Amino acid sequence: EAQVTQNPRYLITVTGKKLTVTCSQNMNHEYMSWYRQDPGLGLRQIYYSMNVEVTDKGDVPEGYKVSRKEKRNFPLILESPSPNQTSLYFCASSFGGSGNSNQPQHFGDGTRLSIL
Amino acid sequence: DAKTTQPNSMESNEEEPVHLPCNHSTISGTDYIHWYRQLPSQGPEYVIHGLTSNVNNRMASLAIAEDRKSSTLILHRATLRDAAVYYCILRSPSYNQGGKLIFGQGTELSVKP
Repeated sequence: EAQVTQNPRYLITVTGKKLTVTCSQNMNHEYMSWYRQDPGLGLRQIYYSMNVEVTDKGDVPEGYKVSRKEKRNFPLILESPSPNQTSLYFCASSFGGSGNSNQPQHFGDGTRLSIL
Repeated sequence: DAKTTQPNSMESNEEEPVHLPCNHSTISGTDYIHWYRQLPSQGPEYVIHGLTSNVNNRMASLAIAEDRKSSTLILHRATLRDAAVYYCILRSPSYNQGGKLIFGQGTELSVKP
């Protein structure tokens, strides 16, 4: 089954403790992206990747890192999490290295992070 | 970025058609019109997209006005599983877009049995 898989689905942790949210897709998509969703603010893009070893900042990249060593994986790293990073996070992927506007994006089911 | 305007909420009865409107009066000639929906506790899900002509797929139909300043997502027979927030999104082919989807407030659709 074609899917985008995020882990963990839920995490409660404390300020400053490094964490990684993994994202994996099995559709051979070039493009991958991370969003966070907050009440009243909608979905905002954090980072995106056009292909392996190519990443760039989205609208709200502060406090986050990403890497794209393999085509299928795009982990989101919070090196020193803070309470303002408490949010619902979504990973997405699609064909087309330019985030081709004609290609639908496939989303994971989300990761709910709580930073205390 | 061109903006879209949607009603905050709509109600429908089960097994009846639903027409979800979207206004995008500042759309540019190369912008695609995409629709996504987000069911409770799930990630957004692609529904349909189009450029100028009306489009149909297994999930829905998309009717695009001749001047492209508005569009309507049509669910032919609403089911309880169609209760979700529906987002109308314009996508530019510009490379600098970063591929991001710009989600507005969307329309929250409730379906009554």
